[in-house]
Amino acid sequence: AAGVIQSPRHLIKEKRETATLKCYPIPRHDTVYWYQQGPGQDPQFLISFYEKMQSDKGSIPDRFSAQQFSDYHSELNMSSLELGDSALYFCASSPPVSGVSYEQYFGPGTRLTVT
Amino acid sequence: TQLLEQSPQFLSIQEGENLTVYCNSSSVFSSLQWYRQEPGEGPVLLVTVVTGGEVKKLKRLTFQFGDARKDSSLHITAAQTGDTGLYLCAGATRGSTLGRLYFGRGTQLTVWP
Repeated sequence: AAGVIQSPRHLIKEKRETATLKCYPIPRHDTVYWYQQGPGQDPQFLISFYEKMQSDKGSIPDRFSAQQFSDYHSELNMSSLELGDSALYFCASSPPVSGVSYEQYFGPGTRLTVT
Repeated sequence: TQLLEQSPQFLSIQEGENLTVYCNSSSVFSSLQWYRQEPGEGPVLLVTVVTGGEVKKLKRLTFQFGDARKDSSLHITAAQTGDTGLYLCAGATRGSTLGRLYFGRGTQLTVWP
């Protein structure tokens, strides 16, 4: 079965540089979520998109922005990178909501290292 | 503050033993998911529970959602070395726009042969 695809898998950037993370959801999934997971931490919600519109916003720094495109893929743009941005970034997607079930399927993640 | 409190944080047992992991909150959830995560990889969905009192079984794993939909448990029978991993509970609260998930801190399970 098709899964969520994220690219790149690994990214090394220097402080103050910019980074773009890409996410390709499972086919026919209409909602995309971004999470950040620091070392030894649980995933923290950043932002989500439903049908190409921002649907919810969590603890996402103003230096970050994201969007969902017409083909439902999403990109997370990160500027003025800081050492503290080093983390695993996960994208998840979910199918059209059925009842109250919010099943989310996660991608393999992008490991961002800021030096 | 953590919306979901997961316990224990670490669990080390012998193969063949049984174990239970707990996930508790003072908030009501519209649904709750259990994930398993390997180091450096994305969480893999194990099960979703949506109805208070619901019990779901996945081979040797039994998941239960509390009657009030504020807590959940994962019980593993006759643990195997292949069960070793990080188990995360995650819930979507009532009113949460399109299902933002709140995660517990996870239970790191180690099963020894």
